Amino acid sequence: AQSVTQPDIHITVSEGASLELRCNYSYGATPYLFWYVQSPGQGLQLLLKYFSGDTLVQGIKGFEAEFKRSQSSFNLRKPSVHWSDAAEYFCAVGAESSASKIIFGSGTRLSIRP
Amino acid sequence: ETGVTQTPRHLVMGMTNKKSLKCEQHLGHNAMYWYKQSAKKPLELMFVYSLEERVENNSVPSRFSPECPNSSHLFLHLHTLQPEDSALYLCASSLDTGTLTGELFFGEGSRLTVL
Repeated sequence: AQSVTQPDIHITVSEGASLELRCNYSYGATPYLFWYVQSPGQGLQLLLKYFSGDTLVQGIKGFEAEFKRSQSSFNLRKPSVHWSDAAEYFCAVGAESSASKIIFGSGTRLSIRP
Repeated sequence: ETGVTQTPRHLVMGMTNKKSLKCEQHLGHNAMYWYKQSAKKPLELMFVYSLEERVENNSVPSRFSPECPNSSHLFLHLHTLQPEDSALYLCASSLDTGTLTGELFFGEGSRLTVL
């Protein structure tokens, strides 16, 4: 069975600074990887996903993530954060061919310092 | 309306009450899901429906009873809940469950407080 770990519970960065949120997964086969964002009082919204191909994936809102098989990681990055990026970020890993097998991490709460 | 809509957004109930959460999707999807989101814990998948048939039930207590009358509507019936059931209940939909080419579309959630 697959699993996903987000080591950082809470991160604070200054507005305009770069951001990297960590995600490590465990899965025996090629994983399907996702990053979702949850703004306060909202549901989850997909930022980006990796299924195969180029290991650097571009998403919405200026986010990108890089799949590193050797490190079992799928870290989320953004070169310059905006105050509106303050939210909870969830990494998720899915098993092949089953949307019902997506496993979510515990989330990383991002705060933005003015 | 578009997307996934959940009602009510907030619900407070006693342990002896019976209430229901409602979810409606306007995306033409065939699969719908209930997730439980508790503080400091990963999202927990509760139920999965595909074309109105339950395809997954992740050891959820019987005090939670799902109903999917059609592919656009999903209910979660609640009775004799416990305080530890207080959480945000999220509904989601996807094109189907068999292929992971799409994404999960989430509603805004129903915040449940059990007194």
